[in-house]
Amino acid sequence: KNEVEQSPQNLTAQEGEFITINCSYSVGISALHWLQQHPGGGIVSLFMLSSGKKKHGRLIATINIQEKHSSLHITASHPRDSAAYICAVSGGSNYKLTFGKGTLLTVNP
Amino acid sequence: SAVISQKPSRDICQRGTSLTIQCQVDSQVTMMFWYRQQPGQSLTLIATANQGSEATYESGFVIDKFPISRPNLTFSTLTVSNMSPEDSSIYLCSVEAARDTQYFGPGTRLTVL
Repeated sequence: KNEVEQSPQNLTAQEGEFITINCSYSVGISALHWLQQHPGGGIVSLFMLSSGKKKHGRLIATINIQEKHSSLHITASHPRDSAAYICAVSGGSNYKLTFGKGTLLTVNP
Repeated sequence: SAVISQKPSRDICQRGTSLTIQCQVDSQVTMMFWYRQQPGQSLTLIATANQGSEATYESGFVIDKFPISRPNLTFSTLTVSNMSPEDSSIYLCSVEAARDTQYFGPGTRLTVL
């Protein structure tokens, strides 16, 4: 069973700061997902990665397959980025996702 | 991509009653999933619902407590039966639109008194 660890658990930043959230997993995967969950509960898929790096606006996600590690970066953070960020992995022919416990980000104006 | 809607968005229910949550997708998908997120916890898969077959439940979840219907390729329901306060959670449905690509619904926030 894959173990997914995220750090930090909670993160408070000032508007404009560069944010990094980390995710590590224990077993080889076919894909890693970064998800965003706002206080209302709905989840938005931000990235799906199997290698390298992806960028969307102020968000950047990287993955190192050898190190079994991924990072989510937010540049020029804004209070609307305040949310929980969840890392999830899927492996091989198994479509099931294993989720980290999430990182709760608060960006203060 | 796939757009998913859930009804209701939230509800407050009495102990011992049942609630049915609906999940509607704007396109036909083979696999739909139901998750539970208890307060302060990560998501846990309840079951996988494929059209035309019985849902497949994960360890710790049973059909009598969480009956699921999947009448067609765009719709599914999850019923939380004989509710207790421990069932207070966010319930989410998701779909696999392509390999390794899951889209999530907005969630149903359930409070059981």
